[in-house]
Amino acid sequence: GENVEQHPSTLSVQEGDSAVIKCTYSDSASNYFPWYKQELGKRPQLIIDIRSNVGEKKDQRIAVTLNKTAKHFSLHITETQPEDSAVYFCAPLLHGSGNTGKLIFGQGTTLQVKP
Amino acid sequence: KAGVTQTPRYLIKTRGQQVTLSCSPISGHRSVSWYQQTPGQGLQFLFEYFSETQRNKGNFPGRFSGRQFSNSRSEMNVSTLELGDSALYLCASSLARGRALTDEQFFGPGTRLTVL
Repeated sequence: GENVEQHPSTLSVQEGDSAVIKCTYSDSASNYFPWYKQELGKRPQLIIDIRSNVGEKKDQRIAVTLNKTAKHFSLHITETQPEDSAVYFCAPLLHGSGNTGKLIFGQGTTLQVKP
Repeated sequence: KAGVTQTPRYLIKTRGQQVTLSCSPISGHRSVSWYQQTPGQGLQFLFEYFSETQRNKGNFPGRFSGRQFSNSRSEMNVSTLELGDSALYLCASSLARGRALTDEQFFGPGTRLTVL
C-alpha cells in the first residue's frame, strides 16, 4: 500500500531542546528512507537519508533511526536552533516494478523553535 | 553546476484551459519526478520519467500527462483545468544510478499555477 503517516503534525520546542518526528510506512519492501526540510517559500531539500541495511545514521545535530520490523523511521534533531524552524517531510520509497519506485511524502511536520 | 530550473514560475489560467510546465534537470541527471503541492494534500507524486520513459505514475486523472526529452528535460501538461488544480508544481531530478530512485532528489523552485 501507499500509506505513510507522519507525527506529530506540529511541534513547538524551546531553542536547545531536542525534536523527534516519526514516520510510519506500509510497504515492507521499502529500502530507502529520506527526510526533507522545506523552509517557508522555498523548495524541499534533503537533510538526511538512510538505507535499510543500517539502523541509524547521524550528521552533526541530525540523526535518523530505522526500525524495519515495525516499519517506522524517525528524525531526531538535537540542540535545536531557530533556523531549524521549517516543515519536515518523510518520503519512504514505495517500490514499483523492477528496480524503480516512487517517493511517497508524509503529511509534513511544522517545527517551530522558539528562541 | 546549475540547479533544477522550472518555467514559468507563475501562471494564471482559467477553467477549461490547458497548461504546459517545463523542468530542466541538473546536468547528468536522468530521472525527473513531478509533484503537486497544496496546503490540504501536501506533496503528492504525479509521475517519474527516466530515459524518456514514464516509469511510475501517481493517482491523478488522465488530464495530467508528461514527457521527457532526450536531453532529460521534462514537461508536464494539464488539460481541461479545474479550480482544484491550483497548486505549486515541483519537479525534482536525481542521478538515478543503477536506475533506482535511491539517490538524492534535487527540487526546482516550482511553478505556482492559479486556476480562476
